Amino acid sequence: KAGVTQTPRYLIKTRGQQVTLSCSPISGHRSVSWYQQTPGQGLQFLFEYFSETQRNKGNFPGRFSGRQFSNSRSEMNVSTLELGDSALYLCASSVGTANYEQYFGPGTRLTVT
Amino acid sequence: QKEVEQNSGPLSVPEGAIASLNCTYSDRGSQSFFWYRQYSGKSPELIMFIYSNGDKEDGRFTAQLNKASQYVSLLIRDSQPSDSATYLCAVNMRNAGNMLTFGGGTRLMVKP
Repeated sequence: KAGVTQTPRYLIKTRGQQVTLSCSPISGHRSVSWYQQTPGQGLQFLFEYFSETQRNKGNFPGRFSGRQFSNSRSEMNVSTLELGDSALYLCASSVGTANYEQYFGPGTRLTVT
Repeated sequence: QKEVEQNSGPLSVPEGAIASLNCTYSDRGSQSFFWYRQYSGKSPELIMFIYSNGDKEDGRFTAQLNKASQYVSLLIRDSQPSDSATYLCAVNMRNAGNMLTFGGGTRLMVKP
């Protein structure tokens, strides 16, 4: 089975721009969660989508949003980029929601200049 | 107090020894517990998960859970230099869907 894929792998953006990241889960997995990883804050949960519905949201500003499509693929969007948004953005897929094992994709490295 | 706490390390062990990694969590209602391994520049890789009190073994890895003490640990037997990585403890707290709360990670160094 193919693993979780994320595109693009690397991005460089300028402050004030917006960015869209994509995640394709493992085949048959219906839940996609997004995380941000930075050296200072570690791994932090952004949001989870299951069956095209946002199930949970972490403590991030409204500039961070996401959606999920009927084929379980998910996108996250960050608007009005700030320097502090520079991070590794990871998506994780699982079969269901709540207490299921989650498998991470390779991540998208976002640099905001 | 952080919700999930790990000693940041580095934890240094000789090749062939047992490495013991520890994690404590604050939410007594937490239901599932995961250990991820992350090599520098890579994404986290799931290596163990445990839901019930006691031990769970998988190859050289053993996860131990004690819900009364709110403590979960990972033992790595016959440690190899290739085990050198950061180990992340993650907890799925009650009523949190798939949201994982991560500890800061413990850096393990296995010396040949």
